[in-house]
Formats: sequence, C-alpha cells, structure tokens
Amino acid sequence: AQSVTQLGSHVSVSEGALVLLRCNYSSSVPPYLFWYVQYPNQGLQLLLKYTTGATLVKGINGFEAEFKKSETSFHLTKPSAHMSDAAEYFCAVEETSGSRLTFGEGTQLTVNP
Amino acid sequence: NAGVMQNPRHLVRRRGQEARLRCSPMKGHSHVYWYRQLPEEGLKFMVYLQKENIIDESGMPKERFSAEFPKEGPSILRIQQVVRGDSAAYFCASSPPGQGRSEQFFGPGTRLTVL
Repeated sequence: AQSVTQLGSHVSVSEGALVLLRCNYSSSVPPYLFWYVQYPNQGLQLLLKYTTGATLVKGINGFEAEFKKSETSFHLTKPSAHMSDAAEYFCAVEETSGSRLTFGEGTQLTVNP
Repeated sequence: NAGVMQNPRHLVRRRGQEARLRCSPMKGHSHVYWYRQLPEEGLKFMVYLQKENIIDESGMPKERFSAEFPKEGPSILRIQQVVRGDSAAYFCASSPPGQGRSEQFFGPGTRLTVL
C-alpha cells in the first residue's frame, strides 16, 4: 500500500527566505509524484509532477522538487518566498495506472513580511 | 476548454436530508474521481468511475453513500440521511481516457455543511 508523509503541518518563513516542504512516500512500484497547492476555499492546483526521466522537476510559480528514490523523498523548494505563496500544500502519489491519488496531510505555509 | 465543474459550490443540509453533488469533467475526459477533505485533514479517495462503471469504490463509506457517472450528464455523488460528520469539502477530479497514467484535474469542490 502506498502512503505519503509530510513532515511539519505548519511551516513559517520570512518573505524572501527559502521554502522547503518535505514529503516522503512509500510505494511498491515506481510512483508518479505530485505537489498541489490549495488556497483558502478553493480547489487544488497542480504545482508540478514527476513521472519519469529527469529527477529535478520545475513547476509553476518558481517551485521545484527533486525525486530521490534512495530516500523515497520528493521535497518541494522555492529559493525566495513571496507573500502570495501562503497556502496549503499537498504532496500526492499515484501508484498504478489510472488509479487513485494518495495525499499527505498537507503543510500550511505562512509567509511573514 | 472549461475545467472541471462542480455544483453547488456550497450546500447546507439538515441531519437526515439527502445531499447530491454534481461533477462535470473536462471535455474529453471519461475518468472521474471523488475525494473528501474533512476539516484540517488531507484529501481522501472515495471512488473512481468511468462512464457507466464504478472502477474502484474502496474509499466509499459502506452505507448512505453512492456514486454514478451515467453515459450522459454529470457524475453524481449522493449522500443519504446526512449526519454532521459528513460535513466536508468534496472534490471531483477528471482525467482523459487511455491506458497510461494521466494527470488528474480538480474541480473547485462542494463544501457541504450539515446542521
């Protein structure tokens, strides 16, 4: 069975600082990995995804994530936080073809001026 | 190309009433997924449907919940005799047909409040 763990339910950074949101997964087969962002009272927007190929994935809004198979991790980073990045971030894994997504519990990112 | 549409966006029901949530997938998409987000929690898978078929309903509660995706029209998630614990945001996602894995596109959600 697949699972996703997001370390830290709340992360607070200063504007301009590095953003690092952690995600570890377990999967019995090569997974597809996703990061979604959710703004208050809205749906989920895809930030980036890893399927196959290059392990460093670039997404929207300056975010990127690196798939590390040996560490079963897919941490999300952004070099410089912006106030508009304040939102909840979800890591998700899709294990098999056309199957469900398994989500982590989410990390609420706060950006302080 | 319109995205995934869900309606209503907000739904208030009293205990014991029925709730019907609708999801229109993106044009050309034939796979629909329903997820539930309880307060302060992540999204949990409920059911995966293709046109006229339930493919995986392992995340559906055993009673009171049902889902369909008819040949014509939107997918419907139906909750009978709602209870306060059903209060949550319900998200629908869709993906295109095909054997390979495809990205799921999410709708804005329906926020159900049970009084």
